[in-house]
Amino acid sequence: QSALTQPASVSGSPGQSITISCTGTSSDVGGYNYVSWYQQHPGKAPTLMIYDVSNRPSGVSNRFSGSKSGNTASLTISGLQAEDEADYYCSSYTSSSQGVFGGGTKLTVL
Amino acid sequence: EVQLLESGGDLVQPGGSLRLSCAASGFTFSTYAMSWVRQAPGKGLEWVSVITAGGGLAYYADSVNGRFTISRDNSKNTLSLQMNSLRAEDTAIYYCAKEMYGGSRRVDYWGQGTLVTVSS
Repeated sequence: QSALTQPASVSGSPGQSITISCTGTSSDVGGYNYVSWYQQHPGKAPTLMIYDVSNRPSGVSNRFSGSKSGNTASLTISGLQAEDEADYYCSSYTSSSQGVFGGGTKLTVL
Repeated sequence: EVQLLESGGDLVQPGGSLRLSCAASGFTFSTYAMSWVRQAPGKGLEWVSVITAGGGLAYYADSVNGRFTISRDNSKNTLSLQMNSLRAEDTAIYYCAKEMYGGSRRVDYWGQGTLVTVSS
């Protein structure tokens, strides 16, 4: 049950787009379309941004989008805004019916 | 409005036990799988455990298997986590989390968390 691999940090300027990758194995990310992405601001609980690889919950901006290719999932945020600065985590269902998270990516809006 | 309210976090000595609870409201509790997720201070999220809607099946992270037990009372809309043989590395904020319909470790609502500190 190894954690999914995410870059430790990414950054971008307001209005730009950034992409955060999330790499797993065929036993988790690559084997199921149950990849989710969460946003967490300091001192707050996480909030769901993307589920089932590319679906947005009601209320989440369409600036957030998700995709997957093989064992790697990606979160793209377009039109960066200051309030997007936060930590982002991917997660996946696994072949053992467990869950697994990525190590998290700190997004800095320059 | 979905609400998840955790309680039971405390300072406990290594080797000790603690029971966390989560009071759920705003949805049909008995229809959804429920999970616990933790976050050590300054660290990332770690999935801990899940229990199916009816309570018949539970799964655990390797790091807690055999020490933690998840349970639920659908008549009281309550989720619990019994933690035994606690270690320093179990120190974390523990979040109660509601899974989406169909489970598969997709969390759509989180509580605010309860802090567990394991230290002598």
